[in-house]
Amino acid sequence: DTGVSQDPRHKITKRGQNVTFRCDPISEHNRLYWYRQTLGQGPEFLTYFQNEAQLEKSRLLSDRFSAERPKGSFSTLEIQRTEQGDSAMYLCASSQSTGALTEAFFGQGTRLTVV
Amino acid sequence: AQSVSQHNHHVILSEAASLELGCNYSYGGTVNLFWYVQYPGQHLQLLLKYFSGDPLVKGIKGFEAEFIKSKFSFNLRKPSVQWSDTAEYFCAVTLNTGGFKTIFGAGTRLFVKA
Repeated sequence: DTGVSQDPRHKITKRGQNVTFRCDPISEHNRLYWYRQTLGQGPEFLTYFQNEAQLEKSRLLSDRFSAERPKGSFSTLEIQRTEQGDSAMYLCASSQSTGALTEAFFGQGTRLTVV
Repeated sequence: AQSVSQHNHHVILSEAASLELGCNYSYGGTVNLFWYVQYPGQHLQLLLKYFSGDPLVKGIKGFEAEFIKSKFSFNLRKPSVQWSDTAEYFCAVTLNTGGFKTIFGAGTRLFVKA
């Protein structure tokens, strides 16, 4: 499968713990996005990388959230001191810049439950 | 602030009925428009997209959408739905300002009765 892959698929954690998610984009894609989706809502933009540079961050991304893409390939999203409100599906997507915008390809997501 | 509104949260249709899902966005500049579909247990998949040119775009599985700039709308249509179209449909807008943030609507859950 050469699509976007995310790991883990599910994560249950206790409030206050730190969690880290991984996203492996489609190999030739230089753009990578993180979204969060809660029940009954569409995906909400969190942050975006072009290669290894983090170019945009949403105000939704509090200080407890940090994302990296150290070599311009895979990315990690870390949430420190998790809160129950962090429970959501975290989606990763990637796309290839070609001068014009192209569609993003989404992974299956990581479902986080904070208890 | 930019936003995307989907008119119906839930739609129930019988097979062979026609479908139209409404989508409106609020942004005065150049946009790129998408419809994504999420089948039960699967990831988001692109249904169709509009960047420029003919405002009537055709996507996969017989879906089409029409961009009406004056109405800030990008409604999704299918003349005859099938049971396999049961899914959640998301309208999305990417603002063409050099940034690449895509804003999604809240989604419409479609259930097609066999």
